[in-house]
Amino acid sequence: NAGVTQTPKFQVLKTGQSMTLQCAQDMNHNSMYWYRQDPGMGLRLIYYSASEGTTDKGEVPNGYNVSRLNKREFSLRLESAAPSQTSVYFCASTRRRQGGSGYTFGSGTRLTVV
Amino acid sequence: AQSVSQHNHHVILSEAASLELGCNYSYGGTVNLFWYVQYPGQHLQLLLKYFSEDPLVKGIKGFEAEFIKSKFSFNLRKPSVQWSDTAEYFCAVNPSGGSYIPTFGRGTSLIVHP
Repeated sequence: NAGVTQTPKFQVLKTGQSMTLQCAQDMNHNSMYWYRQDPGMGLRLIYYSASEGTTDKGEVPNGYNVSRLNKREFSLRLESAAPSQTSVYFCASTRRRQGGSGYTFGSGTRLTVV
Repeated sequence: AQSVSQHNHHVILSEAASLELGCNYSYGGTVNLFWYVQYPGQHLQLLLKYFSEDPLVKGIKGFEAEFIKSKFSFNLRKPSVQWSDTAEYFCAVNPSGGSYIPTFGRGTSLIVHP
């Protein structure tokens, strides 16, 4: 049982480049999330998808777009990377409205924008 | 909107010392509460959760937390820490029912010296 799988694990981009972070879960969870983690800032929600076919902005959505491709997959895209987007990105999933299990997190993507 | 405050940003202990990490939240209604742990270089893992049962919650690895509704607190405790408990600890809260969007605290970094 893989849980939540994120790719890539590490990435270095030049300012202005674009890239897509991939996330897939095999737990039949309805809701999926993208967070960024920065020192001293904790986890901040970028975007989330409460269910297949819906996406909503979180606390820090600027500079990002998302796609809920199907129930399993939720991708995060940086169209024009900026140094301020250097961070560790975590994808997470949970069953919606069940509230019984908390989040399951992926192992993270460490992104550096130079 | 809810918010979470973790008062201890950095805690340094010796092995066998007792641990208490503070977590306070602000929200007027019923909440679900969580503690997550992030070991160095790894993703967040659920340590324990509170969902309106006994206010004293037992988690993995000897951790426990007590929900005190009157104080809006959910402090994490462990009677005797080990070197392997060195990690970052995050408190999270989300309103019961509705969209499952927890808010995370900024984290507490725990270093345990052998």
